[in-house]
Order: sequence, then C-alpha cells, then structure tokens
Amino acid sequence: GENVEQHPSTLSVQEGDSAVIKCTYSDSASNYFPWYKQELGKRPQLIIDIRSNVGEKKDQRIAVTLNKTAKHFSLHITETQPEDSAVYFCAAGRSGYSTLTFGKGTMLLVSP
Amino acid sequence: SQTIHQWPATLVQPVGSPLSLECTVEGTSNPNLYWYRQAAGRGLQLLFYSVGIGQISSEVPQNLSASRPQDRQFILSSKKLLLSDSGFYLCAWSAGTKSSGNTIYFGEGSWLTVV
Repeated sequence: GENVEQHPSTLSVQEGDSAVIKCTYSDSASNYFPWYKQELGKRPQLIIDIRSNVGEKKDQRIAVTLNKTAKHFSLHITETQPEDSAVYFCAAGRSGYSTLTFGKGTMLLVSP
Repeated sequence: SQTIHQWPATLVQPVGSPLSLECTVEGTSNPNLYWYRQAAGRGLQLLFYSVGIGQISSEVPQNLSASRPQDRQFILSSKKLLLSDSGFYLCAWSAGTKSSGNTIYFGEGSWLTVV
C-alpha cells in the first residue's frame, strides 16, 4: 500500500519568512496530492491540491510543487502570518480510489 | 452545496459505557463516508470507510464498529468504551464518482473523553 512520509514534524518561523513542508510517497500510481490545514481544536480543511498532470499550483501565498520522478511534493507558504500557525497534513491518493494516505502532520508555528 | 453534520460535539463517557456518534451529509448522493480518529492531537487514523449502504471497511481492529443505515448517514458505535478510545473523532465524506478524485471533506469533529 501507499506510504507517505512528512517532514519536518515541527517548524518554527518568524512572521514574514517562508515555510516549506515536504512529503514523499511510495506508490507511483498515486496521482492526487491534497494539503490540509488544521487549526487547534478544529477540523482539517483542504487548502490546496495538485494532480499528477501538473508540476506546480499556486493560490495567493500558498504553492504546491510535485516531482513525480522523485515521488515527492512540497507545500510552500510565503510571507507567513501568525494565523498560518496550525498543523498541516499532506496526503496521497489515486483517482477512483476511495481513501487517502495521510502524512503524520507538521506543526507550523509563526512567531510575530 | 454539500454540508456534513456530526454530533455530539463533545461527550464525556465512563469506561464500559456505550458510544454512538452520528454523521449525515447533505447535498450529494452516494458519497464515500469515513470515520477518523485523532489521539494526542496529531495524526489522522482511518477507522472505517464506506462506499455504499451496508458496505463497511474496517482499517483498524478494535472495539468500535460502524454502520451505514442510509445513503448519507454514518454511525460510529461501541458497546463498551475503553480509556484508550478517548480522542477527537472526525466524520468525513468524498464524492463517490471515480472521475472526481479523492478530495475528502471533514465534519467538525466530536471530542470524546472516556473517564
């Protein structure tokens, strides 16, 4: 089955810095890679996703890159703000399959 | 638009008592439904998923069970709770069509404390 590794487990940055979270996956058939943000005590919410026919996707301060050859994908947050502080989860899945495999999460702390 | 409702939001139950968490999805038909648990505030552990009425797949053997009595209703149950069942339980759904990918949407969660 699929295995997703996520690094780092904790990331501390100063407000305004960039943050990068990296994930690797094992199943070369995976073709869907979402990222979720979970604020303390709340549900995970989808913030961005990418499919294997695209190498990069941006949405304002957030971007995701995908390297299919190396089987890794990354979340990039620029100009971080304190409200970006949360746990971020990456995941991998295949179109037509009903489950996603999640990474263990990265706790991002943005200090003012 | 689609919405997911999950209840109760919080509950405190004694060890050995039963459990029932309920979840309903509105605005879609034949969704895939999921129950996840988070212990210690971090990882998402998939407990059960269902691709249709009466079809339940269990990912982790334990004293919990799930049922799907209606297309958009998913229930998580236990006959006798253990202390280790404490955690944050999340119901979730995704579209059931193969062409739509696997985007999973989570409910607001239920905090369970077993005492």
